[in-house]
Amino acid sequence: AQRVTQPEKLLSVFKGAPVELKCNYSYSGSPELFWYVQYSRQRLQLLLRHISRESIKGFTADLNKGETSFHLKKPFAQEEDSAMYYCALSRPAAGNKLTFGGGTRVLVKP
Amino acid sequence: EPEVTQTPSHQVTQMGQEVILRCVPISNHLYFYWYRQILGQKVEFLVSFYNNEISEKSEIFDDQFSVERPDGSNFTLKIRSTKLEDSAMYFCASRSGPALSTDTQYFGPGTRLTVL
Repeated sequence: AQRVTQPEKLLSVFKGAPVELKCNYSYSGSPELFWYVQYSRQRLQLLLRHISRESIKGFTADLNKGETSFHLKKPFAQEEDSAMYYCALSRPAAGNKLTFGGGTRVLVKP
Repeated sequence: EPEVTQTPSHQVTQMGQEVILRCVPISNHLYFYWYRQILGQKVEFLVSFYNNEISEKSEIFDDQFSVERPDGSNFTLKIRSTKLEDSAMYFCASRSGPALSTDTQYFGPGTRLTVL
């Protein structure tokens, strides 16, 4: 069975500091990995996915199959990055259901 | 930009009562999902639905749960006899897709279900 682990429940950083959110997964096949973000009082929305290899709002994430990780990074955090971040995994051969990690709350202080 | 909508935003019910949570997926989407999040816990997959039938369900999705697409727009989750532990935020999601694609799942704002 697949599992996603986000070891940090809360990350508090100052504006302008780097931020890294850790995500590890367990799955024997070739999963698709995603980061979803939920801003205060808003819905879950896709931030980025590994196959796109793109940077969204300054965030990047690299899939490391050897370490089974998909950490999310941003070199200079902004106050508007304060939100709940969820790492998720899907198996395209299994209907694309998402398996979520427990989430990391990011608080960017001025 | 089209969005997934859910009603109601908050539902309070007595234990043992039936509830129906409603979702309107994005209009040209073909795959539909329900997830739930108990307070302080992970977002968990409940069920996926395609071509008017369940394509996958989790062990949470027991006989008390059912889903339906009664018309061309709505997608509903019914809980027949609610239990205290059904209290959670329920999210609907949809995607366009073909089956093996990685099209994005778009989430609704959620319905908070409180069972007393």
